[in-house]
Amino acid sequence: SAVISQKPSRDICQRGTSLTIQCQVDSQVTMMFWYRQQPGQSLTLIATANQGSEATYESGFVIDKFPISRPNLTFSTLTVSNMSPEDSSIYLCSVRRGVLGGEQYFGPGTRLTVT
Amino acid sequence: KQEVTQIPAALSVPEGENLVLNCSFTDSAIYNLQWFRQDPGKGLTSLLLIQSSQREQTSGRLNASLDKSSGRSTLYIAASQPGDSATYLCVTSGSRLTFGEGTQLTVNP
Repeated sequence: SAVISQKPSRDICQRGTSLTIQCQVDSQVTMMFWYRQQPGQSLTLIATANQGSEATYESGFVIDKFPISRPNLTFSTLTVSNMSPEDSSIYLCSVRRGVLGGEQYFGPGTRLTVT
Repeated sequence: KQEVTQIPAALSVPEGENLVLNCSFTDSAIYNLQWFRQDPGKGLTSLLLIQSSQREQTSGRLNASLDKSSGRSTLYIAASQPGDSATYLCVTSGSRLTFGEGTQLTVNP
C-alpha cells in the first residue's frame, strides 16, 4: 500500500491569489497524479507529475494555471494560480507504483474554497 | 473511449441488510478494476482491486466480482452498518483511469 498525506487539508482563499498544495508519499512511487473534483462531480485528471521533467497536462489544463513540481519520487506540489471561484474544488494527489495496471491510491484531498 | 456506469445512483437501506452495487463498462481492455469508498469532502479509500485475470476479490464483509467479457462488476456488502454510508466508486484502469459517477449509499440505524 501507499500512505499519502496532503497539506493543507482545506483552505479558503481570495480571488486572484495562489495556493500551493503539497503531496507526500511514504515510499517511492513511479507515477504521481493530480486530480480535481468539483462539487457534485466525479474526478478529473489535471496532470501526471513526472520526476525530473515537466508535468504532462490533460486537455483543458495548462502549466501557467496549474504549475506542478516533482523533485523526487515521494513528493510533489500543485499550485493553483490566479484563483477564481470556479477553482473551488477538492484537489487530490494520487499514486501508482507501476507504469500501468498497478493499484491506485489517493490522498485525503485538499478542499479549496475561493471567495 | 471507456465509459463506466454505476447503478443505482443512490441507495438507502436499513442496517443489517445485504446489498449489491452494480458497475458496467464499455471497453473490456482493462488492466484492473478498483472499488473505492469516498466520504463527503474526503479522498478515496481503496476497498478492493480485481486484476483483469481475476474473477473476484474479498475483504471482510466486501466481495467484488468481475466479468470482463460482459463488462460488469458488482460490489457485495454483507450485513451493512451505518458506518458503511458513503459514496462507492467503480474505477477501471486501462490507458487511463475511468471513474463511474458513484453510488451514494445510506445505511439507516
